[in-house]
Amino acid sequence: DQQVKQNSPSLSVQEGRISILNCDYTNSMFDYFLWYKKYPAEGPTFLISISSIKDKNEDGRFTVFLNKSAKHLSLHIVPSQPGDSAVYFCAASARVFGNEKLTFGTGTRLTIIP
Amino acid sequence: GAGVSQSPSNKVTEKGKDVELRCDPISGHTALYWYRQRLGQGLEFLIYFQGNSAPDKSGLPSDRFSAERTGESVSTLTIQRTQQEDSAVYLCASSFFRGVQETQYFGPGTRLLVL
Repeated sequence: DQQVKQNSPSLSVQEGRISILNCDYTNSMFDYFLWYKKYPAEGPTFLISISSIKDKNEDGRFTVFLNKSAKHLSLHIVPSQPGDSAVYFCAASARVFGNEKLTFGTGTRLTIIP
Repeated sequence: GAGVSQSPSNKVTEKGKDVELRCDPISGHTALYWYRQRLGQGLEFLIYFQGNSAPDKSGLPSDRFSAERTGESVSTLTIQRTQQEDSAVYLCASSFFRGVQETQYFGPGTRLLVL
């Protein structure tokens, strides 16, 4: 069963506008959430994370929002830049697992249109 | 090096052969993870090392898969009698493990193709 879901396989956004990537999860044990960005032929690169005790975390152009009651998180990128074109993975972990293994979504391919 | 490195970057093998994939984590990182990504899918967890021990092997898909870690550093993932469904990108990640959630840093991956 897919415990972390990214229902949009792709998204196109005009340069300068806001990109919003969404992620849903089903396991209520998850208490830490991360977003990774992946370029072709490279490993995932960490972008931003959020603990379940928060509902928002901001780092420069990137903001992650967490809605625990809806089991939903989103990544906002503003303003979007051509270099943001990549596949974005949402991931989650739970301290109850005893380690920090990540459960990943299937990714959303973001294309920024110049 | 500054980041996680993996070798080989690409591997083509014939069905039934054994392969070994290597991961060099970031120096000082006590936790090491193996994941794989099959075509069109998300990354799936395979195995976790804390130091040289593997307390969580729950993601290994079959007994053809094994991994070890030595010197709290290099890890090797071995796939015996490879099958076509083993074709995937195998990714290694490392992190500090200090009892709070830490960021995992990924290597570039090994692309395995089983013919």
